[in-house]
Amino acid sequence: GAVVSQHPSRVICKSGTSVKIECRSLDFQATTMFWYRQFPKKSLMLMATSNEGSKATYEQGVEKDKFLINHASLTLSTLTVTSAHPEDSSFYICSAREQGAVNYGYTFGSGTRLTVV
Amino acid sequence: LAKTTQPISMDSYEGQEVNITCSHNNIATNDYITWYQQFPSQGPRFIIQGYKTKVTNEVASLFIPADRKSSTLSLPRVSLSDTAVYYCLVGDRSGGYQKVTFGIGTKLQVIP
Repeated sequence: GAVVSQHPSRVICKSGTSVKIECRSLDFQATTMFWYRQFPKKSLMLMATSNEGSKATYEQGVEKDKFLINHASLTLSTLTVTSAHPEDSSFYICSAREQGAVNYGYTFGSGTRLTVV
Repeated sequence: LAKTTQPISMDSYEGQEVNITCSHNNIATNDYITWYQQFPSQGPRFIIQGYKTKVTNEVASLFIPADRKSSTLSLPRVSLSDTAVYYCLVGDRSGGYQKVTFGIGTKLQVIP
């Protein structure tokens, strides 16, 4: 089945630094990927829709300059948390759907635990 | 996108059948119903998808009544490893890439 690889799985960074998270579709092409964040014991919150070759579409309240998204190829989207602060600490998850897949379900990455100290 | 409502939590003993019901009163004609499972610190995992009546796979069954305003995920003979959060999502799969938004989900706790 479709596999989405997310890297790193866990990262700790100092306040003020930037962190890049990668999301790759391993065995299929994804012109669109999605980025979520999830706080402890809460549901997933959609942050943005990543579009290959064009600008990402951000959800209301999500800072474009804080969360930079690049979708340069059909199999890779990256999320860069710029000038990270402790309140950015969260679980970030990406997803993609394989076009033409039998179940039309979305495949999710394993997530990235970001801790800003 | 149709809004969904699920119970916040459920408890079940090992070996029992668990049924989790999701309400989606505003489901559209083209919408499908999809259920995901999420373990702590992992991404959600696809469980099952259906449009109407009954769908069964190796891990679960999905029951959808004729009016499609609700659906029930059925997990047969649950084990401790089924302890997770289960999300019901409703959306159009007919084309394009519809963004997927999650409700609160149902936290299932399986008790020994």
